[in-house]
Amino acid sequence: DAGVIQSPRHEVTEMGQEVTLRCKLISGHNSLFWYRQTMMRGLELLIYFNNNVPIDDSGMPEDRFSAKMPNASFSTLKIQPSEPRDSAVYFCASMRQLGETQYFGPGTRLLVL
Amino acid sequence: KNQVEQSPQSLIILEGKNCTLQCNYTVSPFSNLRWYKQDTGRGPVSLTIMTFSENTKSNGRYTATLDADTKQSSLHITASQLSDSASYICVVQDTGGFKTIFGAGTRLFVKA
Repeated sequence: DAGVIQSPRHEVTEMGQEVTLRCKLISGHNSLFWYRQTMMRGLELLIYFNNNVPIDDSGMPEDRFSAKMPNASFSTLKIQPSEPRDSAVYFCASMRQLGETQYFGPGTRLLVL
Repeated sequence: KNQVEQSPQSLIILEGKNCTLQCNYTVSPFSNLRWYKQDTGRGPVSLTIMTFSENTKSNGRYTATLDADTKQSSLHITASQLSDSASYICVVQDTGGFKTIFGAGTRLFVKA
C-alpha cells in the first residue's frame, strides 16, 4: 500500500488566493484527520471524519477553512481566502478504526506570501 | 483545562546511551496515550498506543510506560542510534476520541 497520499507536497501562493489541499486515505481505513503544524503552535487537529461524516471540526480556525470528504477514500481541505498566518505544514492522517494506529501522510508545506 | 506537557524540551545524548522522555497530562476522561516520532520534514509515525489499563508497551528499543493515577507517561529509548534524532510527541485522547491534545514535543539529538 502506498500509504496516505497528499498533494501538493509544496504550495506557494499569494494572500487572498484559494488553496486546496488533497488527501487520499489508505485503502480500508474509515477515519480521516486533518492537522496543521507550525513552530509556534506545534501539531493541531483541525477536523476529523469517520465514515465520511465530520465528527469534530472544533479545531478549524475560521470560516475561511473548510473540509470535505466526498467519498470514502478522498478528502480536501480548502482555505479561501488564504492569509500569511495560514503558512504551515498540513498533515492528513488515516486510521482503520478510531482508537487504532494513525498513519500520517508526508504533509503539504504551505507558504502564503 | 486539558493539557499535555512534555519534558525536556530538547535533549542531546551520545550514540549508544539510553534516555527517557516525560509526558504529563491533565486530559480527562482519558482514553489513550500515544507516542509519535517525527523526523525532520516528515509526518509523525506512531510508536506506541496505550489505554487506561496498560502500564507498559514496547516497540523495539522504545518502551513507553503509563501511570494513569499520576497521569504520567515516559518513553525510554535504549542504546540510542543516530537515526533516533527526531521530535517525540506525546498525544492524549479523551474518551470517545473526540478531543486530541498534543504535547509540544521533545527534540532529541543523538551525537556520534
